[in-house]
Amino acid sequence: NAGVTQTPKFQVLKTGQSMTLQCAQDMNHEYMSWYRQDPGMGLRLIHYSVGAGITDQGEVPNGYNVSRSTTEDFPLRLLSAAPSQTSVYFCASSYSAGLAGGREQFFGPGTRLTVL
Amino acid sequence: GIQVEQSPPDLILQEGANSTLRCNFSDSVNNLQWFHQNPWGQLINLFYIPSGTKQNGRLSATTVATERYSLLYISSSQTTDSGVYFCAAAGGGTSYGKLTFGQGTILTVHP
Repeated sequence: NAGVTQTPKFQVLKTGQSMTLQCAQDMNHEYMSWYRQDPGMGLRLIHYSVGAGITDQGEVPNGYNVSRSTTEDFPLRLLSAAPSQTSVYFCASSYSAGLAGGREQFFGPGTRLTVL
Repeated sequence: GIQVEQSPPDLILQEGANSTLRCNFSDSVNNLQWFHQNPWGQLINLFYIPSGTKQNGRLSATTVATERYSLLYISSSQTTDSGVYFCAAAGGGTSYGKLTFGQGTILTVHP
Protein backbone atom coordinates (compact mmCIF):
# COMPACT_ATOMS: atom_id res chain seq x y z
CA ASN A 1 0.00 0.00 0.00
CA ALA A 2 1.17 3.51 -0.79
CA GLY A 3 -0.77 4.87 2.22
CA VAL A 4 -1.72 8.55 1.96
CA THR A 5 -0.22 10.39 -1.00
CA GLN A 6 -0.24 14.11 -1.73
CA THR A 7 0.66 16.09 -4.82
CA PRO A 8 2.37 18.39 -5.45
CA LYS A 9 5.13 18.46 -2.83
CA PHE A 10 5.84 22.15 -3.42
CA GLN A 11 3.85 24.92 -5.09
CA VAL A 12 4.27 28.65 -5.56
CA LEU A 13 1.22 30.71 -6.49
CA LYS A 14 0.52 34.36 -7.11
CA THR A 15 -2.22 36.13 -5.19
CA GLY A 16 -5.58 35.46 -6.80
CA GLN A 17 -4.62 32.24 -8.55
CA SER A 18 -6.56 29.06 -7.90
CA MET A 19 -5.29 25.52 -7.57
CA THR A 20 -6.15 22.06 -6.28
CA LEU A 21 -4.08 20.06 -3.83
CA GLN A 22 -4.51 16.36 -4.41
CA CYS A 23 -4.85 13.68 -1.72
CA ALA A 24 -5.40 9.98 -2.22
CA GLN A 25 -5.39 6.91 0.01
CA ASP A 26 -5.45 3.24 -0.90
CA MET A 27 -6.43 1.83 2.50
CA ASN A 28 -10.22 1.99 1.99
CA HIS A 29 -10.48 4.55 4.78
CA GLU A 30 -13.83 6.24 5.32
CA TYR A 31 -12.54 9.33 7.07
CA MET A 32 -10.30 11.90 5.40
CA SER A 33 -9.27 15.37 6.46
CA TRP A 34 -7.15 18.37 5.55
CA TYR A 35 -4.99 20.33 7.98
CA ARG A 36 -2.71 23.31 7.66
CA GLN A 37 0.44 23.82 9.71
CA ASP A 38 1.89 27.28 10.16
CA PRO A 39 5.39 27.92 11.58
CA GLY A 40 5.70 27.12 15.27
CA MET A 41 2.11 25.97 15.51
CA GLY A 42 0.19 22.77 15.68
CA LEU A 43 -2.08 21.60 12.91
CA ARG A 44 -5.50 23.16 12.32
CA LEU A 45 -8.38 21.31 10.69
CA ILE A 46 -9.66 22.85 7.43
CA HIS A 47 -12.28 20.36 6.16
CA TYR A 48 -13.08 16.73 6.71
CA SER A 49 -15.16 13.94 5.20
CA VAL A 50 -16.73 10.89 6.86
CA GLY A 51 -17.37 9.15 3.54
CA ALA A 52 -17.94 9.64 -0.17
CA GLY A 53 -20.39 12.49 -0.78
CA ILE A 54 -20.16 13.84 2.79
CA THR A 55 -17.98 16.77 3.80
CA ASP A 56 -17.98 19.28 6.64
CA GLN A 57 -16.04 22.27 7.85
CA GLY A 58 -13.26 22.27 10.37
CA GLU A 59 -11.72 25.10 12.34
CA VAL A 60 -10.38 27.21 9.44
CA PRO A 61 -12.49 26.53 6.29
CA ASN A 62 -12.62 30.01 4.74
CA GLY A 63 -11.01 30.22 1.30
CA TYR A 64 -11.03 26.46 0.74
CA ASN A 65 -13.44 24.03 -0.90
CA VAL A 66 -13.53 20.25 -0.83
CA SER A 67 -15.51 17.45 -2.42
CA ARG A 68 -15.43 13.67 -1.99
CA SER A 69 -16.72 11.86 -5.04
CA THR A 70 -14.81 8.63 -4.31
CA THR A 71 -13.57 6.88 -1.17
CA GLU A 72 -9.97 7.20 -2.35
CA ASP A 73 -9.68 10.90 -3.23
CA PHE A 74 -10.19 14.10 -1.26
CA PRO A 75 -8.94 17.18 -3.17
CA LEU A 76 -8.60 20.60 -1.54
CA ARG A 77 -9.30 23.65 -3.72
CA LEU A 78 -7.96 27.12 -3.10
CA LEU A 79 -10.40 29.44 -4.83
CA SER A 80 -8.37 32.67 -4.89
CA ALA A 81 -5.02 32.28 -3.18
CA ALA A 82 -3.95 34.84 -0.57
CA PRO A 83 -0.58 35.26 1.19
CA SER A 84 -2.29 34.20 4.44
CA GLN A 85 -2.69 30.74 2.90
CA THR A 86 1.05 30.22 2.76
CA SER A 87 1.45 27.09 4.84
CA VAL A 88 2.18 23.38 4.82
CA TYR A 89 -0.93 21.34 4.06
CA PHE A 90 -1.40 17.81 5.34
CA CYS A 91 -4.00 15.27 4.34
CA ALA A 92 -4.91 12.49 6.76
CA SER A 93 -7.15 9.45 6.79
CA SER A 94 -8.50 6.91 9.24
CA TYR A 95 -10.50 3.74 8.82
CA SER A 96 -13.56 5.13 10.56
CA ALA A 97 -13.74 8.06 12.95
CA GLY A 98 -16.91 6.59 14.43
CA LEU A 99 -15.43 3.27 15.51
CA ALA A 100 -13.09 3.29 18.50
CA GLY A 101 -10.81 0.83 16.80
CA GLY A 102 -10.59 2.84 13.60
CA ARG A 103 -9.74 6.37 14.66
CA GLU A 104 -5.96 6.25 14.32
CA GLN A 105 -5.05 8.90 11.76
CA PHE A 106 -2.39 8.45 9.08
CA PHE A 107 -0.83 11.47 7.43
CA GLY A 108 0.46 12.18 3.97
CA PRO A 109 3.88 13.80 3.41
CA GLY A 110 2.48 17.32 3.05
CA THR A 111 2.40 20.05 0.40
CA ARG A 112 4.42 23.21 1.02
CA LEU A 113 2.51 26.14 -0.51
CA THR A 114 3.81 29.68 -0.92
CA VAL A 115 1.51 32.48 -2.07
CA LEU A 116 3.28 35.61 -3.29
CA GLY B 1 -14.25 23.62 21.28
CA ILE B 2 -11.78 21.56 23.21
CA GLN B 3 -8.48 23.18 24.21
CA VAL B 4 -5.23 21.20 24.17
CA GLU B 5 -2.10 22.37 25.97
CA GLN B 6 1.28 20.66 25.90
CA SER B 7 4.29 21.00 28.14
CA PRO B 8 7.14 21.60 28.13
CA PRO B 9 7.39 23.57 24.87
CA ASP B 10 11.05 22.58 24.46
CA LEU B 11 13.15 19.75 25.83
CA ILE B 12 16.84 19.06 25.35
CA LEU B 13 18.27 15.69 26.36
CA GLN B 14 21.45 13.66 26.17
CA GLU B 15 21.16 10.31 24.46
CA GLY B 16 20.06 7.67 26.93
CA ALA B 17 17.99 9.97 29.13
CA ASN B 18 14.30 9.48 29.90
CA SER B 19 11.58 12.11 29.46
CA THR B 20 7.91 12.76 30.10
CA LEU B 21 5.74 14.95 27.89
CA ARG B 22 2.38 16.18 29.13
CA CYS B 23 -0.89 16.99 27.38
CA ASN B 24 -3.78 18.69 29.19
CA PHE B 25 -7.22 18.93 27.61
CA SER B 26 -10.20 21.02 28.61
CA ASP B 27 -13.12 18.61 28.15
CA SER B 28 -13.95 14.94 28.03
CA VAL B 29 -12.39 13.22 25.03
CA ASN B 30 -13.52 10.42 22.72
CA ASN B 31 -10.32 10.49 20.69
CA LEU B 32 -6.77 11.28 21.81
CA GLN B 33 -3.65 10.62 19.77
CA TRP B 34 0.07 11.29 20.01
CA PHE B 35 2.12 12.05 16.91
CA HIS B 36 5.81 12.52 16.17
CA GLN B 37 6.82 14.96 13.45
CA ASN B 38 10.35 14.14 12.34
CA PRO B 39 12.85 16.76 11.14
CA TRP B 40 11.74 16.12 7.54
CA GLY B 41 8.16 17.06 8.40
CA GLN B 42 6.56 13.61 8.28
CA LEU B 43 3.86 12.98 10.90
CA ILE B 44 3.84 9.52 12.43
CA ASN B 45 1.06 8.22 14.63
CA LEU B 46 2.47 6.95 17.94
CA PHE B 47 -0.62 6.12 19.98
CA TYR B 48 -4.39 6.24 19.90
CA ILE B 49 -5.13 6.46 23.63
CA PRO B 50 -8.36 8.12 24.86
CA SER B 51 -7.89 6.27 28.15
CA GLY B 52 -5.59 3.76 29.80
CA THR B 53 -1.97 2.86 29.13
CA LYS B 54 -0.16 1.56 26.06
CA GLN B 55 3.44 0.69 25.34
CA ASN B 56 5.37 0.37 22.11
CA GLY B 57 9.06 -0.34 22.57
CA ARG B 58 10.76 2.55 24.35
CA LEU B 59 7.61 4.67 24.17
CA SER B 60 4.59 4.44 26.39
CA ALA B 61 1.54 6.62 26.98
CA THR B 62 -1.02 7.01 29.72
CA THR B 63 -4.27 8.94 29.59
CA VAL B 64 -6.22 9.72 32.76
CA ALA B 65 -9.48 10.82 31.19
CA THR B 66 -11.16 11.74 34.49
CA GLU B 67 -8.34 14.21 35.24
CA ARG B 68 -8.05 15.39 31.63
CA TYR B 69 -4.41 14.73 30.90
CA SER B 70 -2.19 12.38 28.97
CA LEU B 71 1.50 11.61 29.35
CA LEU B 72 4.00 10.34 26.79
CA TYR B 73 7.08 8.63 28.19
CA ILE B 74 10.27 8.20 26.18
CA SER B 75 12.89 5.97 27.74
CA SER B 76 16.55 5.64 26.74
CA SER B 77 16.19 8.42 24.21
CA GLN B 78 18.02 8.26 20.88
CA THR B 79 18.97 11.00 18.43
CA THR B 80 16.28 9.67 16.09
CA ASP B 81 13.67 10.63 18.70
CA SER B 82 14.32 14.29 17.93
CA GLY B 83 11.46 16.24 16.41
CA VAL B 84 8.14 17.65 17.52
CA TYR B 85 5.63 15.65 19.54
CA PHE B 86 1.98 16.57 19.17
CA CYS B 87 -1.00 15.61 21.21
CA ALA B 88 -4.38 15.87 19.48
CA ALA B 89 -7.83 15.39 20.94
CA ALA B 90 -11.49 15.39 19.99
CA GLY B 91 -14.38 15.47 22.39
CA GLY B 92 -16.88 17.63 24.18
CA GLY B 93 -19.66 16.38 21.96
CA THR B 94 -17.97 17.10 18.63
CA SER B 95 -17.19 14.59 15.89
CA TYR B 96 -14.70 11.89 16.82
CA GLY B 97 -12.45 12.87 13.95
CA LYS B 98 -12.29 16.64 14.50
CA LEU B 99 -8.92 16.62 16.18
CA THR B 100 -7.60 19.72 17.90
CA PHE B 101 -3.80 19.75 18.09
CA GLY B 102 -1.66 21.15 20.84
CA GLN B 103 1.28 23.44 20.07
CA GLY B 104 3.73 20.58 20.38
CA THR B 105 6.87 19.80 22.37
CA ILE B 106 10.16 20.23 20.49
CA LEU B 107 12.53 17.46 21.56
CA THR B 108 16.22 17.60 20.78
CA VAL B 109 18.38 14.60 21.68
CA HIS B 110 22.14 15.15 21.58
CA PRO B 111 24.60 12.26 21.08
